[in-house]
Amino acid sequence: DTEVTQTPKHLVMGMTNKKSLKCEQHMGHRAMYWYKQKAKKPPELMFVYSYEKLSINESVPSRFSPECPNSSLLNLHLHALQPEDSALYLCASSPGQFEGPYEQYFGPGTRLTVT
Amino acid sequence: EDKVVQSPLSLVVHEGDTVTLNCSYEVTNFRSLLWYKQEKKAPTFLFMLTSSGIEKKSGRLSSILDKKELSSILNITATQTGDSAIYLCAVCGGSNYKLTFGKGTLLTVNP
Repeated sequence: DTEVTQTPKHLVMGMTNKKSLKCEQHMGHRAMYWYKQKAKKPPELMFVYSYEKLSINESVPSRFSPECPNSSLLNLHLHALQPEDSALYLCASSPGQFEGPYEQYFGPGTRLTVT
Repeated sequence: EDKVVQSPLSLVVHEGDTVTLNCSYEVTNFRSLLWYKQEKKAPTFLFMLTSSGIEKKSGRLSSILDKKELSSILNITATQTGDSAIYLCAVCGGSNYKLTFGKGTLLTVNP
């Protein structure tokens, strides 16, 4: 089973709202990732967690706040977003980050619209 | 800066044709090259190629890594309309094992 789940599938939020995206995997993977994908563009890495510790932050604005409560869960907290933050947010996981190389498996994504 | 270039950017073929998609890269500390298929939603993993595994095949899809030429090809034989998608090439490299994606090849297979 190579399933990564994400909720919600779609999210519409105003610029003053606070919302969270959730990602879950039960493959025993120890690395989890957040990517942002705009239309007709490849995914762009935002954050990486390795063994529940933040490993990479690609200079993402502080209005995006990641959290990894345990090895199976990854959240992305959103606050005071801008319309240009509207995109498909993808979560991915892999068996590890540094011990690899490993393939990354992607979840179905959350389509976020900021109004 | 790591760089991954895919060609062509788009391709239209008829069912039954064979296609070859290209990916070239410039990456420090190359670890692996991955191919993904993306339809409406998330990228679906196809293959991972490494120094110890330079050829992969699954059904009508196959891929080869040329470490000397710093490139890879993805072949699809006997294409079907269900093969229509964006094919993404990503390379894992650097000290942090980050994936760098190419812009993708949009493949359209007409009946």
